[in-house]
Parts: sequence; structure tokens; C-alpha cells
Amino acid sequence: GENVEQHPSTLSVQEGDSAVIKCTYSDSASNYFPWYKQELGKRPQLIIDIRSNVGEKKDQRIAVTLNKTAKHFSLHITETQPEDSAVYFCAASRYNNNDMRFGAGTRLTVKP
Amino acid sequence: ETGVTQTPRHLVMGMTNKKSLKCEQHLGHNAMYWYKQSAKKPLELMFVYSLEERVENNSVPSRFSPECPNSSHLFLHLHTLQPEDSALYLCASSHRGLAGSTGELFFGEGSRLTVL
Repeated sequence: GENVEQHPSTLSVQEGDSAVIKCTYSDSASNYFPWYKQELGKRPQLIIDIRSNVGEKKDQRIAVTLNKTAKHFSLHITETQPEDSAVYFCAASRYNNNDMRFGAGTRLTVKP
Repeated sequence: ETGVTQTPRHLVMGMTNKKSLKCEQHLGHNAMYWYKQSAKKPLELMFVYSLEERVENNSVPSRFSPECPNSSHLFLHLHTLQPEDSALYLCASSHRGLAGSTGELFFGEGSRLTVL
């Protein structure tokens, strides 16, 4: 089955700096890669996702890149703000949510 | 209320108790899920109910028993749990097309379970 590794487990940046979180996956047939953000005491929420037919997707300050050959994908947050502080989870799935596997999460702290 | 609602938000139970977690979604979705969230571990998929199909993670112990009476309601029945079962249990829903296409997961706020 799929195995997703996520690094780093914690990340601290200064407000305005960029943050990068990286994930690797094991199943070459995986084709859907979402990222979820979970603020303290709240539910995980989807912030961006990418499918295997594209290499990059951007939404304002957030971007995700995918390298299918190397089986890794990354989340990039630019111009970080204190409200970006949360735990971020990557995930990988083959074709439906039955087999979606999550990474262990990255706790991002943005210091003002 | 909109979205995905879970009750209770907090539950403390002894190892011999029987309790149930409830989840309700108001999004018109046709798939519902139970996830277990433990500290510093990946979200673990426990059960899926989708398009009349039930899928389960074979590593989930039989002391967890799901029930899905309709597409809007999902239960997780708990019986003779162990202290290591203490965790946040998240319910989620999504829309799945007939081809099984992947959709965004909408999570509830979770039920924090403590087993004494």
C-alpha cells in the first residue's frame, strides 16, 4: 500500500519568510495529492491539491509542486503570516479516498 | 447547522463501557469516513462508507464497529476499548462520482476520546 513521508515535523519561520514542506510517496500509481491545514483545536481543511497531470499549481501565496519521477511533492508558502501557523498534512491517493494516506504532519510556526 | 457535525466533542470512558460517536453531514455527500488522529502520527483511515459500499482498514480492532444507516449519518460504536485507543476521532464526508473519482474531504471537528 501507499506510504507517505513528510518533512520536517516542525518548522519555525519569521513573518514574511517562505516555508517549504516536503512529502514523498511510495505508490507510483498515486495520482491525487491534497494538502490539509489544521489550526489548533480545529478540523483539517483542504488548502490546495494537485493531480498527476500537472507539475505545479498556485493559489495566491500557496503553491504545490509535484515530481512524479522522484515521487515527491512540496508545499510552498510565501510571505508567511502569523495566521499561517498550523499543522499541515500532505496526502496521496490512487483514485479515490478509500486508499488515501496522510503524512504525519508539519507544525508550522510563523513568528511575528 | 451546515457542514459535518460530530458529537460528543469530548468523551471519557472506562475500558468496560460501551459508547458511540455520532457524525452527521449536511453537504449532500455520498461518502463518509472515520479517521483516527493520534499525536505525531499520520491520520489513519479506519472505515469508509461510499455508494452503498463499506471499506475498512484491516488493522482496526473489532472493538470499533461502524454503522451507517443512511448517507447523512455515521456512527462509531465503541466497546471494551484500551487506553491506547485514546485519540481524536475525525469524521469526514466527500462526494464520489460513479467512477470513484476523488473529492475533497470535509472533516468534522472531532471527538476527543479518553479511555481510562
